[in-house]
Amino acid sequence: NAGVTQTPKFQVLKTGQSMTLQCAQDMNHEYMSWYRQDPGMGLRLIHYSVGAGITDQGEVPNGYNVSRSTTEDFPLRLLSAAPSQTSVYFCASSYSSGGAGGAGNTIYFGEGSWLTVV
Amino acid sequence: AQTVTQSQPEMSVQEAETVTLSCTYDTSENNYYLFWYKQPPSRQMILVIRQEAYKQQNATENRFSVNFQKAAKSFSLKISDSQLGDTAMYFCAFMHPNTGTASKLTFGTGTRLQVTL
Repeated sequence: NAGVTQTPKFQVLKTGQSMTLQCAQDMNHEYMSWYRQDPGMGLRLIHYSVGAGITDQGEVPNGYNVSRSTTEDFPLRLLSAAPSQTSVYFCASSYSSGGAGGAGNTIYFGEGSWLTVV
Repeated sequence: AQTVTQSQPEMSVQEAETVTLSCTYDTSENNYYLFWYKQPPSRQMILVIRQEAYKQQNATENRFSVNFQKAAKSFSLKISDSQLGDTAMYFCAFMHPNTGTASKLTFGTGTRLQVTL
């Protein structure tokens, strides 16, 4: 049971380069999201998706792009990397419990992707 | 917008003792979920415990329990019989359960817990 799989686990980029962080889940979850974690801070939401073809911005979306062409995959694209994007990135997925307004109340996280922009 | 505050950046407890981590939050919603996540040095996010706001009974999971005070918007985590493996960062998180916001968590800044011999 793979759960939420993120690749790559580690990446070093030069300023201005582009790259894509991959996220895949095999649990048929409707909801997927991307967070970043910086030193001294909790995770902050970058983008999220409530289903294939539907995405929206979170708290810190600038500099990132997402798309959701399938239920399983939710890639995060950095179009022109900047040192301020050095962080640990987490992908998460969840399903709707069907209760309390349809909340996805069990959220599964990937193992994180360490990104350094020099 | 919701905010989550963890006012204890670091805490220390001796093995086998009990420790309580504090969390307060601000929201105008009446129905929501609260979580405690553990993050060991590996950075893996591990769900410790979950509380549904419409349930008055405090959640418990083995050695972990919460004190949920809805009126005071307080959600503290108590760890009993602390073990060395409990050493980690602990994050409090809030989620409003409307469709479209599920999987949108608001996190506190974390409390680093050190369990000592």
